Amino acid sequence: SQKIEQNSEALNIQEGKTATLTCNYTNYSPAYLQWYRQDPGRGPVFLLLIRENEKEKRKERLKVTFDTTLKQSLFHITASQPADSATYLCALVSDSSYKLIFGSGTRLLVRP
Amino acid sequence: ETGVTQTPRHLVMGMTNKKSLKCEQHLGHNAMYWYKQSAKKPLELMFVYNFKEQTENNSVPSRFSPECPNSSHLFLHLHTLQPEDSALYLCASSPKRGDTDTQYFGPGTRLTVL
Repeated sequence: SQKIEQNSEALNIQEGKTATLTCNYTNYSPAYLQWYRQDPGRGPVFLLLIRENEKEKRKERLKVTFDTTLKQSLFHITASQPADSATYLCALVSDSSYKLIFGSGTRLLVRP
Repeated sequence: ETGVTQTPRHLVMGMTNKKSLKCEQHLGHNAMYWYKQSAKKPLELMFVYNFKEQTENNSVPSRFSPECPNSSHLFLHLHTLQPEDSALYLCASSPKRGDTDTQYFGPGTRLTVL
């Protein structure tokens, strides 16, 4: 069956450290993968998109990698700040459809 | 703000009530979406409209009825809901269906069915 898996346990890190979140998928062949941020009681906000032929994408303190062999994307936040505390969702679009399929998200807590 | 607004932000209704959720986007997009987000579960796509035409109904029960009168507005009409329908209902829009499909979400309507 098709699955997108994100760590359901919250990631708790110290301010200034690098946060690394994982998104694994099975039985998909995504053309691209997206990462969103969601704050409590709010809708998700788009952060980054990475295509299947790209290994890495950066935006300010954010970095996303995409390994189609491992079927995995990693999302990094460097020099993390308490304001980065939120739930981070990965989402992919399969080659065979235009549906955006979301993972259940990982909650990040950055301690001051 | 993302340019997508939703009203009401909170709604409590009984199982016999009829209510509607409204979504409006000010981004000039042509595709609009309804999602359901329950606690600890991924976003579930419910309906998709592209250029005012419904292109996807993801096996949603008929007690949810969408309406898209134009590319800027999307409604979700609710009737005879069940308590398990309590969730955050999110509206989103994108320039058009397909391509990179980056979506812009509204703040959601928190629905409680008693």
